[in-house]
Amino acid sequence: AIQMTQSPSSLSASVGDRVTITCRASQGIRNDLGWYQQKPGKAPKLLIYAASSLQSGVPSRFNGSGSGTEFTLTISRLEPEDVAVYYCQQYGNSPLTFGGGTRVEIK
Amino acid sequence: QLQLQESGPGLVKPSETLSLTCTVSGGSISSSTYYWGWIRQPPGKGLEWIGTIYYTGSTYYNPSLKSRVTISVDTSKNQFSLKLTSVTAADTAVYYCARLHRDASGLVFDYWGLGTLVTVSS
Repeated sequence: AIQMTQSPSSLSASVGDRVTITCRASQGIRNDLGWYQQKPGKAPKLLIYAASSLQSGVPSRFNGSGSGTEFTLTISRLEPEDVAVYYCQQYGNSPLTFGGGTRVEIK
Repeated sequence: QLQLQESGPGLVKPSETLSLTCTVSGGSISSSTYYWGWIRQPPGKGLEWIGTIYYTGSTYYNPSLKSRVTISVDTSKNQFSLKLTSVTAADTAVYYCARLHRDASGLVFDYWGLGTLVTVSS
């Protein structure tokens, strides 16, 4: 199975800061990657698909990039409502696998 | 608006079978554009894909669980179901059902149920 490694595992930033989360795949997956946001006690919410396509209704401050084995999710200006755990998920190969998550907090 | 709702027992004894059903409303489970899947999340941990089904009954399972998992679909009820046999405490988790795209959007989960906590304990 393809291993997805996220870094950092947690971060703390100020409102308005630019935040970057990295996801690395153990082998190339083209751009077959999604990003999710999970708030406490809630189901994950799809933010990005195909590495860089913004899901309908998701604020434009969320941006995804990358291909092959290295991907990034950037929040251009952190808002209080962005406090959550963020997961990447690859679908380049079965089984579908998720990264371990990155917890984003407000400083 | 599409909605998915998990249902089933919240407590299962070790060695028994976990059974959950996902009821889809606001859309047809028989759409050719989507798959339907199960994902689980142990308390305080990350997400694990369990398996996926197409409305025709074609299934795809995570090899780590394949020997114990069966996913089925009932198009007449707009439902799909999960059975996980021989459960242990390690199967304690929030179980989610979700919809996956089958098009250029890729195999991402765009609609999720609220999730249901299943605890394995005697």
